[in-house]
Formats: sequence, structure tokens, C-alpha cells
Amino acid sequence: AQSVTQLGSHVSVSEGALVLLRCNYSSSVPPYLFWYVQYPNQGLQLLLKYTTGATLVKGINGFEAEFKKSETSFHLTKPSAHMSDAAEYFCAVSSTGNQFYFGTGTSLTVIP
Amino acid sequence: DAEITQSPRHKITETGRQVTLACHQTWNHNNMFWYRQDLGHGLRLIHYSYGVQDTNKGEVSDGYSVSRSNTEDLPLTLESAASSQTSVYFCASSSQDGEAGDEQFFGPGTRLTVL
Repeated sequence: AQSVTQLGSHVSVSEGALVLLRCNYSSSVPPYLFWYVQYPNQGLQLLLKYTTGATLVKGINGFEAEFKKSETSFHLTKPSAHMSDAAEYFCAVSSTGNQFYFGTGTSLTVIP
Repeated sequence: DAEITQSPRHKITETGRQVTLACHQTWNHNNMFWYRQDLGHGLRLIHYSYGVQDTNKGEVSDGYSVSRSNTEDLPLTLESAASSQTSVYFCASSSQDGEAGDEQFFGPGTRLTVL
């Protein structure tokens, strides 16, 4: 069975500071991992994904995430937060048949 | 450009009424999914389909049904709306290859209120 845990339902950072959003997964098979972003009153948009190969994955808007099998983690980072990064972020793991299991989300606030 | 649309975007209905939410995609994707989003629960899978005439139950399927008569559409029906079904509903689709690593593309959502 697959599941995702996102630590911290709310994260606040200052503009220009490092963004770190945590995601741990549980999977009985090699995982496929995703980060999505949701802006207010919109659907989800893919930030990045890990399938196979390089464990450091770069996505849109300067975000990246590193797959660490030993820690069952896929944390999302961005070196310098921008006001436009304020949104809800979801981590997800995919299983056979492309079913997704989402975490409960982390709301990111960027303080000017 | 290919897209996935949902209608209506907002809906208010009364307890006990039947409600249908539409989802239409022009990606030519075989896989389509319905989720509900609730505070503290993230997105939970309601129903999904891998192709025409195929439907499957997800984690929270009670009180919901879907039908797939063509590739483009997967309408979600609430047979008898309940206040517990007040939520934001998202439709998604993914490529016809159905690989586990495929991205799901999401619609803009439908906000449903059941009074």
C-alpha cells in the first residue's frame, strides 16, 4: 500500500529565505513521486516528478526535490522564496495503474 | 491547446437531490479520475476509469457514481446529495499509456455546497 505524509500543514518563510517542504512516503514497490502546487481557486499543477534515474529532480519556478530511498523522503526545496510562491503544495505517490495517493498538503506563506 | 474542463464551477444544491458534475478532456487520455478535496484530508480518490465502459471505485466512492461512454467525458453523479458531500471536486486525466510515472492533469475544480 502507498501513503504520503507531509510534515507541517502550514509553513511560513520570509521572502528570499530557503523554502523546505517535507514529504515522506510509504510504498511497497519502487515509488513514483510528485509535487503539485495549487494556487487559490485553481486546480493542481505539476511542479516536478521522480520516476527513475537522477535522484535530484528540478522542476518549474526554481523548485527541486531529492529522492532519498534510505529515508523514504522526497522533500521540496527552493533556495530563495518569492511572494508568488505562496500556495498549497501537495506531495503524491503513484502506484500501478497510475493511481495517486496525496498527502494532506502544506500551505506556504511568504512574508515580505 | 489540449485541456481539461469542469462544469459547473460552483453549485449549490439541497439535501436529497441528484447532482451531476461534468468533466471533459481534450488530451485523448484513457485514464480519468475524480477526487474530492477537504481541509485536513488533501485529495481523496472517488472513482476512476481506464477507458470507455470501464469504471472503478476509489477510496471514498459511497454515494457517488460515474459512467464512461466516450474517451473525453467522465461525469460524476451524486445520487442523493448529503451535507457531508460539500467539498471541492477535481477531475484529472493521464496519458493512454497508463504508466505509473505519468503526470495527472487537473481541471479547475467544482465547488459544491449541499444545504
